[in-house]
Amino acid sequence: NAGVTQTPKFRVLKTGQSMTLLCAQDMNHEYMYWYRQDPGMGLRLIHYSVGEGTTAKGEVPDGYNVSRLKKQNFLLGLESAAPSQTSVYFCASSYLRTGGFEGTQPQHFGDGTRLSIL
Amino acid sequence: GQQVMQIPQYQHVQEGEDFTTYCNSSTTLSNIQWYKQRPGGHPVFLIQLVKSGEVKKQKRLTFQFGEAKKNSSLHITATQTTDVGTYFCAGQAGNNRKLIWGLGTSLAVNP
Repeated sequence: NAGVTQTPKFRVLKTGQSMTLLCAQDMNHEYMYWYRQDPGMGLRLIHYSVGEGTTAKGEVPDGYNVSRLKKQNFLLGLESAAPSQTSVYFCASSYLRTGGFEGTQPQHFGDGTRLSIL
Repeated sequence: GQQVMQIPQYQHVQEGEDFTTYCNSSTTLSNIQWYKQRPGGHPVFLIQLVKSGEVKKQKRLTFQFGEAKKNSSLHITATQTTDVGTYFCAGQAGNNRKLIWGLGTSLAVNP
């Protein structure tokens, strides 16, 4: 049981290049999230998804796009990378608890992708 | 917008000393979660508090949720070097599917 797997683990891009970060989870979770983490800034939500085929913007969505064509995968795309997007990117997933308490359940994180843009 | 303030930002203690980090929300929360992130690692879920005034313990860690459900604390008794890392609180407001994250408290422990 791998949990949440992120690929790649490291990447260096040049300004203007594009790339896609892949997140895969094998826990059959409904919810998936993409965060970025910068020193002193904590975790900032980029985009999230509450189910297959649905996505929504978080607090810092500009410059990123996402897709969730399959329940287990959540892709984060950078169309034209900028140095300000140098960061550590974390994917997380959680399940939907029903039956009277639709609370946000604990999030399971991947190991992160360290992205540098020159 | 909704915010969760977490203090202190950094804490440096001698091994064996106690440690506390506090979270204060600008809005009433339906629940609050705590995570730990080791240096170079990813956040790992520790606990979730749901009820007003709730107190939960995990060995040397004690978690509290305030009566008004707007604040929370994590207290570590007799810190060890294995406690090193950044502790984050994250709250949920209503049925919002997103968490509101604090900026974290980084704990350093001198052996």
